[in-house]
Amino acid sequence: ELKVEQNPLFLSMQEGKNYTIYCNYSTTSDRLYWYRQDPGKSLESLFVLLSNGAVKQEGRLMASLDTKARLSTLHITAAVHDLSATYFCAVAGWNNNDMRFGAGTRLTVKP
Amino acid sequence: DAGITQSPRHKVTETGTPVTLRCHQTENHRYMYWYRQDPGHGLRLIHYSYGVKDTDKGEVSDGYSVSRSKTEDFLLTLESATSSQTSVYFCAISGMSTDTQYFGPGTRLTVL
Repeated sequence: ELKVEQNPLFLSMQEGKNYTIYCNYSTTSDRLYWYRQDPGKSLESLFVLLSNGAVKQEGRLMASLDTKARLSTLHITAAVHDLSATYFCAVAGWNNNDMRFGAGTRLTVKP
Repeated sequence: DAGITQSPRHKVTETGTPVTLRCHQTENHRYMYWYRQDPGHGLRLIHYSYGVKDTDKGEVSDGYSVSRSKTEDFLLTLESATSSQTSVYFCAISGMSTDTQYFGPGTRLTVL
């Protein structure tokens, strides 16, 4: 059974600092997604990673995928308050419709 | 934003009562999904649909049923609501199973 683990679950950062969120998964998959959720809101798609070695960047966020290690990272560069949110990774199982989500990382960026 | 609406947005009901949640899309996407979100669990797939009248179970389907009689509507029914079904329910859509899923605004359901 596909299991997805994110860490850390809670992350408090100072503005201007860098940090990385990790997403590990238990079975083979070559399709991984990152989402952002603001409190009380829906999920917003950030990145889709479709192959080993894929790297995507948008602003201060960069996501990468290592399918051999079954690991994706979401790197935050020079954090700003607006990045405060909960970030989820999601991995597609053998059935592309069977998406499994991590528990989420709640990021707080402090001035 | 993808054209996805959910109704109702909030509902309080009593144990044993049937409840139906509706997801409506204007994107003509083939795939539709129902998830529940609970603290510490992320999102968990309940059921999904890959076309009109074509549905399948997800990770946490017990106690839920779905129907899709039109491309644009996907209904989630709790035949007899229980307190463990108190949650936030999200609908999602995608054009292909491998595409990014776009999420609706969510329905907060409380079962007393």
